[in-house]
Amino acid sequence: DVKVTQSSRYLVKRTGEKVFLECVQDMDHENMFWYRQDPGLGLRLIYFSYDVKMKEKGDIPEGYSVSREKKERFSLILESASTNQTSMYLCASSLLTLHYTFGSGTRLTVV
Amino acid sequence: KQEVTQIPAALSVPEGENLVLNCSFTDSAIYNLQWFRQDPGKGLTSLLLIQSSQREQTSGRLNASLDKSSGRSTLYIAASQPGDSATYLCAVGNNYGQNFVFGPGTRLSVLP
Repeated sequence: DVKVTQSSRYLVKRTGEKVFLECVQDMDHENMFWYRQDPGLGLRLIYFSYDVKMKEKGDIPEGYSVSREKKERFSLILESASTNQTSMYLCASSLLTLHYTFGSGTRLTVV
Repeated sequence: KQEVTQIPAALSVPEGENLVLNCSFTDSAIYNLQWFRQDPGKGLTSLLLIQSSQREQTSGRLNASLDKSSGRSTLYIAASQPGDSATYLCAVGNNYGQNFVFGPGTRLSVLP
């Protein structure tokens, strides 16, 4: 089975800090995704990547950037964390549009 | 822009009941549709994937159907168990697409 690993389950950061969320998948999937999930708003796509060094904006890219230097790793960067970025962050990978596999999520709190 | 809705938002049933969860989407030009389960505070687990050319998929007590022309999918759970309690999300894969659009989910509680 594909495994998607997110580096932290819980994270607490201060306003203004630069935050890195890491995601690694072990099945050579081309596509990787970052979502955030908030009560009442569901999953919203932040960024996705369909190849190394490629990235596409999702629905809510503002305040975020991403990096994909290697196929297996997709990093989400909060350039200057703000309290409205407190959320559950979910990483996923897929082969074409076949089965999505999600990581366990990172619950980020910005204080 | 594709929009996905799910009805009901929440459902509570006694153990043993058969139940149906509904998913609707606005653009019928989909590539596939996937049902997920999410336990509280956890990531999503894929349950069933239906390609646009298929009408249904089955896995154990779960059966998912797809009617592209009407923009609907249903997830049928037979003989529900307390362990089925979770939030169920459907996600629509866009045409030629690389990503899914998610519905808001149905929160299911199965009471012992």
